[in-house]
Amino acid sequence: AQSVTQPDIHITVSEGASLELRCNYSYGATPYLFWYVQSPGQGLQLLLKYFSGDTLVQGIKGFEAEFKRSQSSFNLRKPSVHWSDAAEYFCAVGPYNFNKFYFGSGTKLNVKP
Amino acid sequence: DTEVTQTPKHLVMGMTNKKSLKCEQHMGHRAMYWYKQKAKKPPELMFVYSYEKLSINESVPSRFSPECPNSSLLNLHLHALQPEDSALYLCASSQERGEGPRYEQFFGPGTRLTVL
Repeated sequence: AQSVTQPDIHITVSEGASLELRCNYSYGATPYLFWYVQSPGQGLQLLLKYFSGDTLVQGIKGFEAEFKRSQSSFNLRKPSVHWSDAAEYFCAVGPYNFNKFYFGSGTKLNVKP
Repeated sequence: DTEVTQTPKHLVMGMTNKKSLKCEQHMGHRAMYWYKQKAKKPPELMFVYSYEKLSINESVPSRFSPECPNSSLLNLHLHALQPEDSALYLCASSQERGEGPRYEQFFGPGTRLTVL
C-alpha cells in the first residue's frame, strides 16, 4: 500500500539558514511525488513535483527536491530560508487508485529572526 | 485560467442550519474533489466526481451532500452538522480521473467552516 512519512513534525531554523524537510514514501512502482506548502488558514500551494527524468527538481520560491529511489526519499531543500517560508509543508504521492493522493502528516516550519 | 476558486472563504453555521460550499474551475477539468482538513492534519478525501457523476464517496456522513451541476461547478451541501465537522474544506480538480502525472490535482484556497 502507498504511504508517505514525514518524520519531523516541527522544525525551527534561523532566517538565512539552510533547510531540509524529509519525506519517505512507500510504493512499488514509479512514484509521482509532490511537495505542497500551506500557510495558516490557506489552501495548498504546489511547490514542486517529480514524475520522471532528472532527479533534482526545481520549484517555486527557491525550493528544490531530490528524488532518491534507493532511499525511497524525496527531501525538500532551500539554501537560505526567509521568514515568509514559515508554514506547513506536505509531501504527497499520487494520484493512484483513481485519483487518491496520499499525504504525509506534514512538517510545521518555524523561522527564527 | 489555472485557478480553482472556492466560496465563501469563511462560514459560521449552527447545527440546525443548511448551507452550501461552492467550487469552480475553468480549466476544462472533468474530475473534481472535496477534501476535509482538520487543524494540523493532512487533507482527507471525501468525494470524487468524474464527468459530473459521483465516483468515490469515502464513507462520508449523509449530512454532507455533494452536487456537480456541470463540469465547472462543484457544490457541497451541509445540513445538521456537528461541531466536530469544523474544518477547512478544500476543493480540487484534475483533467480526468486516473493514475499518473497527467491527472495531477489543482487545489483551491479552501473554505474555513465553523459549526457552533
